[in-house]
Amino acid sequence: QLQLQESGPGLVKPSETLSLTCTVSGGSMQRSNYYWAWIRQPPGKGLEWIGSIYYSGGTYYNPSLKSRLTISIDTSKNQFSLKLTSVTAADTAMFYCATDRAAVTGTPGDFDYWGQGTLAIVSS
Amino acid sequence: SYVLTQPPSVSVAPGRTARITCGGNNIGSKTVHWYQQRPGQAPVLVVHDDSDRPSGIPERFSGSNSGNTATLTISRVEAGDEADYYCQVWDSYSDHVLFGGGTKLTVL
Repeated sequence: QLQLQESGPGLVKPSETLSLTCTVSGGSMQRSNYYWAWIRQPPGKGLEWIGSIYYSGGTYYNPSLKSRLTISIDTSKNQFSLKLTSVTAADTAMFYCATDRAAVTGTPGDFDYWGQGTLAIVSS
Repeated sequence: SYVLTQPPSVSVAPGRTARITCGGNNIGSKTVHWYQQRPGQAPVLVVHDDSDRPSGIPERFSGSNSGNTATLTISRVEAGDEADYYCQVWDSYSDHVLFGGGTKLTVL
């Protein structure tokens, strides 16, 4: 069974870049027929999809974040990463990584394995 | 842009049936997934592809989708079902995964 674990700095200054990594265990990212997704949740609010990436590097991004967002993948380390530039307090959230069955269904969504989440706070 | 509308809260007595709706323009033409999020925990997929249950999800959880409304039905509600529930679709017009605003299920 796949397990996902998010990691990254808990505190980021405004205008800087938020970088997070998700480490996958229990299976090879390259041999799993999944996209790999980032989803965030501001404190006390609902879920927001950030983007999804395939092992080949193909991506889907949330249009509202696309100009600030890069999602990358390193199959040799079984990891994928998120970089969000020019962050503000509005980017403070719990960030989750998850598996995305887009490779099977043809469209992103249907997130069946989730990490426990990592809280990123944007503050000076 | 496409909007998913969920009631903020639903209350139900133990043993009864809870129905959580997710409204959207012609949502019946889209594929809907549902997630349960207990306090302080990551979301869990409870229904995918409108009405399919992932392995390990009790048969008490079921889904339907038609017209402008998708519905998550929880039968024989238990105290442990108390959580926030989110619907989710893919909007092909905006190339965007969308979540509903979430419904807090309270077990009385």
